[in-house]
Amino acid sequence: GEDVEQSLFLSVREGDSSVINCTYTDSSSTYLYWYKQEPGAGLQLLTYIFSNMDMKQDQRLTVLLNKKDKHLSLRIADTQTGDSAIYFCAESIGRTGANNLFFGTGTRLTVIP
Amino acid sequence: DSGVTQTPKHLITATGQRVTLRCSPRSGDLSVYWYQQSLDQGLQFLIQYYNGEERAKGNILERFSAQQFPDLHSELNLSSLELGDSALYFCASSLGPGEETQYFGPGTRLLVL
Repeated sequence: GEDVEQSLFLSVREGDSSVINCTYTDSSSTYLYWYKQEPGAGLQLLTYIFSNMDMKQDQRLTVLLNKKDKHLSLRIADTQTGDSAIYFCAESIGRTGANNLFFGTGTRLTVIP
Repeated sequence: DSGVTQTPKHLITATGQRVTLRCSPRSGDLSVYWYQQSLDQGLQFLIQYYNGEERAKGNILERFSAQQFPDLHSELNLSSLELGDSALYFCASSLGPGEETQYFGPGTRLLVL
């Protein structure tokens, strides 16, 4: 079955880099996603990576995928207080016509000024 | 703003009652997904519709049902409500097969008293 795990909390100082980690179990994942949820708000799509890629960079965000170890990470460079939120990784298994997402528990990132 | 709208934003009701949550997908998206976010279960996939037809089912209770209308908006019906149904209910939409990135609405917060 699908099992996506994340550590629950991460604290960093403003200006430092943050690295949020995620492990998943289903090797047939097609896409892996990072979503951000601010307090009282919905889920904002940050970035995603196709399973045949190793890395994707988008401005301050870098996603690394180690398919052998089923490990996904999100690096946020120059972390700002506005980055404080819960970050969810999610995998899409890609069954024909049905691509529902399986989410991790979320990592609460706290940025200390 | 993801382009996905959900109404109402908040809903307070009593046990045993029935409620309807509404979702309008992004313009052009044919797939609609419903998710439940609760403290104990995290983010869970409930059900997916594609162009009016049910496509995938997740951990959706029999007391819950959904449909997607010809104009592509979707409704999630929750009946015989219990205290444990209190949660944030998200709708997401995507274009459809081959383009499955999901964009989430702001959610409906349901409180069952």
